Amino acid sequence: QLQLQESGPGLVKPSETLSLTCTVSGGSISSSSYYWAWIRQPPGKGLEWIGSIYYSGSTYYNPSLKSRVTISVDTSKNQFSLKLSSVTAADTAVYYCARCQYTTSWRAFDIWGQGTMVTVSS
Amino acid sequence: QSALTQPRSVSGSPGQSVTISCTGTSSDVGGYNYVSWYQQHPGKAPKLMIYDVDKRPSGVPDRFSGSKSGNTASLTISGLQAEDEADYYCCSYAGSYIWVFGGGTKLTVL
Repeated sequence: QLQLQESGPGLVKPSETLSLTCTVSGGSISSSSYYWAWIRQPPGKGLEWIGSIYYSGSTYYNPSLKSRVTISVDTSKNQFSLKLSSVTAADTAVYYCARCQYTTSWRAFDIWGQGTMVTVSS
Repeated sequence: QSALTQPRSVSGSPGQSVTISCTGTSSDVGGYNYVSWYQQHPGKAPKLMIYDVDKRPSGVPDRFSGSKSGNTASLTISGLQAEDEADYYCCSYAGSYIWVFGGGTKLTVL
């Protein structure tokens, strides 16, 4: 059964770079029908798609965050990662990684990690 | 792109039906049949309940159904149960591998 697990620092200082990794277990990140995504949720607020990556390295970002976001993939480790630069308190959120089914007959985020809380504070 | 519009809250009694709306534009909800719905209990990760407007993943009760008309999608939960109390989020494909979520709706089972 495929599982996703986020990891990374829970506290980041303002203006620094937030870095998280998602480890995929129970399946290959290199499957052709899937993209891999980062989604966040500020405390008490809704979900926001940050961006997605294909195993080949193709990336797609939320236009509102594009200037600060980098998503990368390491197929040898079955991992993908998020970097968000110049963070502020507004970036405080639970960060989820998720699998995105992407075919003509199925497009949705079907498997999610448990999420990791990241707080931006000095 | 802007977030999809959902009511902040809905409520219903056990056994009743409730419908949650999700309004977007012709660039997202109205332009693609790729609307999905997620259930989120407090402190938990979201769970996929409906995909491609009206399809249910394996294991999701058939009390949950989805539909779409124009730029508005809807999630209907029939035969409400206590465990259905949660936050519900819609999500739509917006083209060019971009996704947009709704602001979320809190469902209260009275």
